[in-house]
Amino acid sequence: KAGVTQTPRYLIKTRGQQVTLSCSPISGHRSVSWYQQTPGQGLQFLFEYFSETQRNKGNFPGRFSGRQFSNSRSEMNVSTLELGDSALYLCASSSDSRASNTIYFGEGSWLTVV
Amino acid sequence: GDSVTQMEGPVTLSEEAFLTINCTYTATGYPSLFWYVQYPGEGLQLLLKATKADDKGSNKGFEATYRKETTSFHLEKGSVQVSDSAVYFCALSPSGGYQKVTFGTGTKLQVIP
Repeated sequence: KAGVTQTPRYLIKTRGQQVTLSCSPISGHRSVSWYQQTPGQGLQFLFEYFSETQRNKGNFPGRFSGRQFSNSRSEMNVSTLELGDSALYLCASSSDSRASNTIYFGEGSWLTVV
Repeated sequence: GDSVTQMEGPVTLSEEAFLTINCTYTATGYPSLFWYVQYPGEGLQLLLKATKADDKGSNKGFEATYRKETTSFHLEKGSVQVSDSAVYFCALSPSGGYQKVTFGTGTKLQVIP
């Protein structure tokens, strides 16, 4: 079956703009989580959604937000972009929220802020 | 809070050499432990996992054993190939609660023919 799909794959934005990234989980998966990957900070957890509810949130400013729709698809939004937001944003899905469950990653969205 | 420490890279090995990438963790209870691999330009792929003490995860010749007493989950492979060149991430997901995976900083492996 199809894996986790993220769009767009690559994008360039200007400081101060906002961006929305989209994620379609594996069919049947209800948990979607987001991670930011940068060379300096590595992989950092942003937030996790299950059945349209945010269950967990990492230590990111309020400019980072997300939501999940009834079909489990998820979007994340970053407002007032800063240069430091340039990163690979990875979405992952899992059948449920249990910690022992494997999460499956998409290929990511490369965001460059100029 | 939870944390994962893995050995610094890059690690450069000749083909058919033995590989060990060390990983230790700090967490309460019994977290689930994972190794993920990231090839250039791609997302992360699960390599193997273990969900309880003394479990051994294995896949594609890679192995790792969940050692509660030493809080470790070292990755090993008996004979590496050029195609194993990638970045390897050790990770944990806390026991109970919901998904919130903590990753190590990653170890870049380069295998030369």
